[in-house]
Amino acid sequence: ILNVEQSPQSLHVQEGDSTNFTCSFPSSNFYALHWYRWETAKSPEALFVMTLNGDEKKKGRISATLNTKEGYSYLYIKGSQPEDSATYLCAFGGSNDYKLSFGAGTTVTVRA
Amino acid sequence: NAGVTQTPKFQVLKTGQSMTLQCAQDMNHEYMSWYRQDPGMGLRLIHYSVGAGITDQGEVPNGYNVSRSTTEDFPLRLLSAAPSQTSVYFCASSARWEARSAEAFFGQGTRLTVV
Repeated sequence: ILNVEQSPQSLHVQEGDSTNFTCSFPSSNFYALHWYRWETAKSPEALFVMTLNGDEKKKGRISATLNTKEGYSYLYIKGSQPEDSATYLCAFGGSNDYKLSFGAGTTVTVRA
Repeated sequence: NAGVTQTPKFQVLKTGQSMTLQCAQDMNHEYMSWYRQDPGMGLRLIHYSVGAGITDQGEVPNGYNVSRSTTEDFPLRLLSAAPSQTSVYFCASSARWEARSAEAFFGQGTRLTVV
């Protein structure tokens, strides 16, 4: 069982503000890091799959960075909108195990 | 393209009853898996399959059985339901048998309550 930690567990942000949160994972035996968005009453949907140290991915106002040497990834939301309210999950894939280990998620609530 | 179809969406079972959660995908994905989601915890892997005829245990397999007779279908069986199995269950598939390499596609989830 791999230790994948997400912080904070939840956060509230004012509409229009930017925010970011963290996924920490084992720095050894890294293969891939996934980010998913999970809206209430829906199923998780993939945002990014990242494999290279220093990788940066962007989808609209959401972006992610990856530091495999120190074992963390940041997810950024720029100019938060109410539709960004969701739980954001990260998942770690190691080089010695082709399965994914999920973190508990960060729940973002955007207040209008 | 339906993606991953999971049924039922809701189910209430009595302790000791058995049931099967259905999962089907129409994307010809090699990898399929079942997770459970409990409050404050990440998705925990129950069982997974890297292709038809091949299944293996995940992190929390006790009390559950799976089979993969076709590429499309991956049912999860609860053998004798217990209150500890009250949870939200998700089926997921990935294009490659190495789930770490490709994004996962999730079903809609099944909210199971065992009383």
